[in-house]
Amino acid sequence: SQTIHQWPATLVQPVGSPLSLECTVEGTSNPNLYWYRQAAGRGLQLLFYSVGIGQISSEVPQNLSASRPQDRQFILSSKKLLLSDSGFYLCAWSVVAGGPNTGELFFGEGSRLTVL
Amino acid sequence: GNSVTQMEGPVTLSEEAFLTINCTYTATGYPSLFWYVQYPGEGLQLLLKATKADDKGSNKGFEATYRKETTSFHLEKGSVQVSDSAVYFCALRESGGSYIPTFGRGTSLIVHP
Repeated sequence: SQTIHQWPATLVQPVGSPLSLECTVEGTSNPNLYWYRQAAGRGLQLLFYSVGIGQISSEVPQNLSASRPQDRQFILSSKKLLLSDSGFYLCAWSVVAGGPNTGELFFGEGSRLTVL
Repeated sequence: GNSVTQMEGPVTLSEEAFLTINCTYTATGYPSLFWYVQYPGEGLQLLLKATKADDKGSNKGFEATYRKETTSFHLEKGSVQVSDSAVYFCALRESGGSYIPTFGRGTSLIVHP
């Protein structure tokens, strides 16, 4: 069966420090991958999505970046964190097309980032 | 473009009350519709889905029917429990089109004993 792992679960970082959140998917190949942020208002904001290795699309301009060095690995990074980067970050994957699960997103457990 | 509109929360109910969370959508094609649930401190998980008009999705006592004529996908449960307290997201995804699903803003449900 497919699983998604996301870490770290919680982190507290000072303003200006770097960030790296990692997400890996197991049990499937060539998934679509997504990074979302959920601020205190609980709505979901799509940050990045990827349809293949090295292919990253950005939905919101900001000081964050994403990379997909391997088929099932998706990394969210920042060189210098801002206070406004605080939030709950969610990684998700979906199948590309076909099958009973087409269209469904499978989410990780989330990473709570607090920037002080 | 596509959009999903959910009723504003929080929705506060007593245990065993009837639940309805409204969801309407705008789409250019023939989307699949989803309800996701997010328990406190966790990621989202799929609650139910429907892929074509008049389909009814159901799971854990929750139901929603894909109504093309009213572009709606309202979530219902006949008798809520305290453990149903969570945030509920309605979402759509176009078939064969964009890789990006469209989510509503979420509706918080609080169930009191």
